[in-house]
Amino acid sequence: DIQMTQSPSSLSASVGDRVTITCRASQSISSYLSWYQLKPGKAPKLLIYAASSLQSGVPSRFSGSGSGTDFTLTISSLQPEDFATYYCQQSYSTPLTFGPGTKVDIK
Amino acid sequence: EVQLVESGGGLVQPGRSLRLSCTASGFTFGDYAMSWVRQAPGKGLEWVGFIRSKAYGGTTEYAASVKGRFTISRDDSKSIAYLQMNSLKTDDTAVYYCTSGGQLWPSFDYWGQGTLVTVSS
Repeated sequence: DIQMTQSPSSLSASVGDRVTITCRASQSISSYLSWYQLKPGKAPKLLIYAASSLQSGVPSRFSGSGSGTDFTLTISSLQPEDFATYYCQQSYSTPLTFGPGTKVDIK
Repeated sequence: EVQLVESGGGLVQPGRSLRLSCTASGFTFGDYAMSWVRQAPGKGLEWVGFIRSKAYGGTTEYAASVKGRFTISRDDSKSIAYLQMNSLKTDDTAVYYCTSGGQLWPSFDYWGQGTLVTVSS
């Protein structure tokens, strides 16, 4: 199974900050990497697919990069609605696996 | 607008069965794979399984933790995906999300709001 790790596990930031979350796969997954945003009581939301492609309707302040084993999600200017938990997920092989999540809260 | 609505969750005793439904609208249901993902209380996301579209055989794949106990099916005429859960364990307690996307290989493009399954005596 491919193990996914994320860092940090949590971070505190202010509105307007640039935020970077890192995801690492235990083996190469090419660009088969997606990022999701979860908020309590709401349907999870796909932000980025294929490592760097922005899902339709997602604000352009979100961006993704990386390939192979190391990936990054960047929020260029954090907005109030961005306080949430973020997960990476590999779709290179089954079992499909998620990272443990990164909680972004208000500083 | 794509909508996925899960139903059928609730409290069930260990060893019993439960069937979840996911009713879809806003897209051509039969063209896409459907997946289930769960989140145990205080834990992260765990993939449960998926079913391919009929064009790709409608075949299924499952996580090892549920294989042999859970079954995913679909009724394209009603735009509904099902998750049949048998021999439930306390570890199956979670919010279960239905997701849609992909064809031969699933992608989690759209998600429902989830339904809570609590396995407890």
